[in-house]
Amino acid sequence: EAAVTQSPRNKVAVTGGKVTLSCNQTNNHNNMYWYRQDTGHGLRLIHYSYGAGSTEKGDIPDGYKASRPSQENFSLILELATPSQTSVYFCASEDRAEQFFGPGTRLTVL
Amino acid sequence: AQKVTQTQTSISVMEKTTVTMDCVYETQDSSYFLFWYKQTASGEIVFLIRQDSYKKENATVGHYSLNFQKPKSSIGLIITATQIEDSAVYFCAMTRTGGYKVVFGSGTRLLVSP
Repeated sequence: EAAVTQSPRNKVAVTGGKVTLSCNQTNNHNNMYWYRQDTGHGLRLIHYSYGAGSTEKGDIPDGYKASRPSQENFSLILELATPSQTSVYFCASEDRAEQFFGPGTRLTVL
Repeated sequence: AQKVTQTQTSISVMEKTTVTMDCVYETQDSSYFLFWYKQTASGEIVFLIRQDSYKKENATVGHYSLNFQKPKSSIGLIITATQIEDSAVYFCAMTRTGGYKVVFGSGTRLLVSP
């Protein structure tokens, strides 16, 4: 049974719309992360969290918000989606520096 | 700030041969972790192997091993007896000990042919 799940797996949004990407983990890990993956850039960190109620900015936080309402759930929010946010988004939980990734969400902003 | 560089964009090898993927890193930290992750064609990203900076011995897991050259800030991934299913994109990554942020390289695509 997958320990880190993401929903939706695919999403098409319109420019200016609000998008929420959800992540759930059953690992009981404190730390969780959101990355985006684009060709030629590898994985870039958007936001991360130390635990329920905490969110921290990563390397490319502009245009994104995050929410960690519980140990298990970590959401990424695009209040006003733009075409430049078209990408594949990965969530991960972490234990002793090792990251456990979800399956990814492919987001297309038209 | 930390930086991880993978200069090999893609590598093609024949099955059952040995391949080495290069990775160099930059950090001001004295203690750090180095990792390799594998991303399969389906998009799944999995942890492969890890090297702690204070350990002199190269890490080995199955047919994966590391060539850690600390003076050169280099952490190469060696895959011996490659298999078709080793075809994937391999990411090098690092984080400082006790840190939370992981920095990834841009990845190396490996194609293993029969």
